[in-house]
Amino acid sequence: AQSVTQLDSQVPVFEEAPVELRCNYSSSVSVYLFWYVQYPNQGLQLLLKYLSGSTLVKGINGFEAEFNKSQTSFHLRKPSVHISDTAEYFCAVSRRGTYKYIFGTGTRLKVLA
Amino acid sequence: AAGVIQSPRHLIKEKRETATLKCYPIPRHDTVYWYQQGPGQDPQFLISFYEKMQSDKGSIPDRFSAQQFSDYHSELNMSSLELGDSALYFCASSLSTLGSGLNTEAFFGQGTRLTVV
Repeated sequence: AQSVTQLDSQVPVFEEAPVELRCNYSSSVSVYLFWYVQYPNQGLQLLLKYLSGSTLVKGINGFEAEFNKSQTSFHLRKPSVHISDTAEYFCAVSRRGTYKYIFGTGTRLKVLA
Repeated sequence: AAGVIQSPRHLIKEKRETATLKCYPIPRHDTVYWYQQGPGQDPQFLISFYEKMQSDKGSIPDRFSAQQFSDYHSELNMSSLELGDSALYFCASSLSTLGSGLNTEAFFGQGTRLTVV
């Protein structure tokens, strides 16, 4: 079975500052890794995904994440955040070969002016 | 591009009533997943279908059932509704990895917000 841990439930950060949202996963088999963003009362939007290949993955809206197999981590980073980045961010894992996701509990990013 | 369509977007039901949620996957996608997201919670996997057969089952209550039809749309049927069933229900679709290669993912609909009163 797979599991995901998002270590921070809330992350406040000032506008134009860098941010890192942490995600660790556990799995006995190879996995796919994803980051989704959810704005209030909205659906889930894919930010980026790691399926294979390069461990540094670039996504939409200036976000990137690095897959670290030895540390079983997939932290999300952005060098300079905007007010519009305020949202809930979910890390998700699925067993390689499927898209049945196990989600983390989410990190609420609040960007302050 | 066509996306995953869920209907209705909002639904209000009373306790002990039944509800049916519908999901229309992206054309040519053969796999459908259902998730439940309670207030302030992360989405929880309920059930999935591949080529009209149940492929995996998660924490779906016995009061719920689902199926995938010949046109690949799926319906989630919920009976004897309880207050705790109030949640956002997401459907996602994907092309099975057998035929898709590597560069794909599951695409989510906008969700159906069910409120049980």
